[in-house]
Amino acid sequence: DIQMTQSPSTLSASVGDRVTITCRASQSIGSWLAWYQQKPGKAPKLLIYKASSLESGVPSRFSGSGSGTEFTLTISSLQPDDFATYYCQQYNNYSPVTFGGGTKVEIK
Amino acid sequence: QVQLQESGPGLEKPSETLSLTCTVSGGSMTGYYWSWIRQPPGKGLEWIAYILYNGDTNYNPSLKGRVTISVDTSKNQFSLTLSSVTAADTAMYYCARHPPRDAPGPDAFDIWGQGAMVTVSS
Repeated sequence: DIQMTQSPSTLSASVGDRVTITCRASQSIGSWLAWYQQKPGKAPKLLIYKASSLESGVPSRFSGSGSGTEFTLTISSLQPDDFATYYCQQYNNYSPVTFGGGTKVEIK
Repeated sequence: QVQLQESGPGLEKPSETLSLTCTVSGGSMTGYYWSWIRQPPGKGLEWIAYILYNGDTNYNPSLKGRVTISVDTSKNQFSLTLSSVTAADTAMYYCARHPPRDAPGPDAFDIWGQGAMVTVSS
């Protein structure tokens, strides 16, 4: 299976900060990577698919980049609604779907 | 808009078989892949299995042998059974949809149900 490693596991930031989360794959997955936001007691919400495509309805302050084995999710200006846990997920068709361990974005 | 709703018993005894159903409302199942994902309390996400509307399936190897996913497009439902459950299977179970984009297989999950909490305890 492809292992997905996210860093950091926890991030403390303030409203207005630029935030970057990294996800590394144990082998190349091309651009088949998604990012999700999850708030307590809620299902995950798709933010980014195919590494850099913004899901419909998601604010443009969210962006994704990368290919192969290294990917990033960037929030350009952190808003109060963005404090949550973020997960990356690979969907390379030749391997079972796997998720990163999550990054919790906390208020500084 | 399309909505997913999980249903099933919230409590299972060890060694029993867990059964969950996901009902799709507001749209057709045709043309889509459908998945089950779970999340133990306070932990991360684990994909369990997916099924295509025509019945083609794929399972997480870590659970293969205990898991069966099935679909009934006439009822707009798909289901999960997990046999020989233990406390390690205690989790929130989500159903989700894969949209038909350009991925070579199932794409990312664009719509999720609210989740069904299953506790395994005697």
